[in-house]
This record gives sequence, C-alpha cells and structure tokens, in this order.
Amino acid sequence: DAMVIQNPRYQVTQFGKPVTLSCSQTLNHNVMYWYQQKSSQAPKLLFHYYDKDFNNEADTPDNFQSRRPNTSFCFLDIRSPGLGDAAMYLCATMGAYNQPQHFGDGTRLSIL
Amino acid sequence: GENVEQHPSTLSVQEGDSAVIKCTYSDSASNYFPWYKQELGKGPQLIIDIRSNVGEKKDQRIAVTLNKTAKHFSLHITETQPEDSAVYFCAASRAGGSYIPTFGRGTSLIVHP
Repeated sequence: DAMVIQNPRYQVTQFGKPVTLSCSQTLNHNVMYWYQQKSSQAPKLLFHYYDKDFNNEADTPDNFQSRRPNTSFCFLDIRSPGLGDAAMYLCATMGAYNQPQHFGDGTRLSIL
Repeated sequence: GENVEQHPSTLSVQEGDSAVIKCTYSDSASNYFPWYKQELGKGPQLIIDIRSNVGEKKDQRIAVTLNKTAKHFSLHITETQPEDSAVYFCAASRAGGSYIPTFGRGTSLIVHP
C-alpha cells in the first residue's frame, strides 16, 4: 500500500501560471519534506516541516511556497513557474531522528 | 556542514557480477547511513541502512559496510540482475537533532543481461 502519495503524477503548466502539487501520507510521521530533482542529480531539499514548524532552505527561491494544513497533507505552490522549474518534485516523510525517509513517486512538472 | 562524496557516478556490470558503490562523509558526528534505490519514474526507496555501532549489515544479495575511522561506507550487490539497474543514492545523518540527511550525487548502475 502506498504510504506517501503524490498527486498528480504528471503536471503540465504554462510559463508563469501558478501550480500546486500535493502530498499525503498515511504514516503519521511528524516530518515532511519537499525535494526538487532534476535529471541525473540527487534530490535537492526545498522545505521541511517538523509538525507545523516550517523550515525553508536558504537557497530555495521565493517563487516556491509550502503549506501543511495538518499532519497528513502537504502542498507545494509554485507562484510563477519558469522553464528552469521543470523537474521531478518529491515528497518524503520521516518518523524520528535517524530513521529512513519514505518517498512518494513524485510529480513530474513540465512547463510550456 | 556534512559533505557526502559518492563514486562511481556510473557503473556498468554483466549480470551475475558484483557491484560496489562507495561513499565518504566528512562529519564524524554522522551516525546513520541509508542507501536508496531509485527506479526510473519513481521515488527513492530504502534498500538497506547501517548505524555507526555496526560495521556490516547484510540482506540477501545486498550488504553495506562502514568504516568509521576512515569515514566511508560501501554498498555491495552480489549476483546482480537486470532489475538491479537503477540509480543508487547514499546518505548520511548526524546524531542529535538533525532531520536533514545529506545525499551523495548518485550512481547509475546498469546490469547487462
């Protein structure tokens, strides 16, 4: 059974048109993450939450925002997507310190 | 901060051969080292992990070794099969309050039938 679910799996948007990606988890984990992954690269951390405590990576562009309305759900908002934002976006969770992360299968974002 | 180096970036083997991927880390306080396998179009999935109080761990054809003194750890896959073809990432996490693992850059493993 999928434990971290991302929707949609594929998203196409127009240059500059806001888009929202969603993630839900059934693990009841405190920590949730959003990563950006481009071809042949390691995932790059954008944000993470410990419960509702939001943590923004220093180099995450202002164009990216995130919301976590409750333990189970997390959203990634891209306010004005540019061509450089085309990537795979991965959501992950972690239950406690030094435990494995559980990843969803990602949303592949394309920009027209 | 932590820095994780992973080698090689690409590894090509024949089916049945062994594959070894190596990672080094810089922060001696790191104590948890997971390995993830990412298949095409999917998210990374944990395949094995090791903690700093253990030198080696095995799970069927997969093993991980850790050398704390040298600050390196390795993934060993024996009797490789075509379905082992994927990108493998190592990671390191330090003790004492960080929820942010540091990833290596990944190794693309290709197993030729």
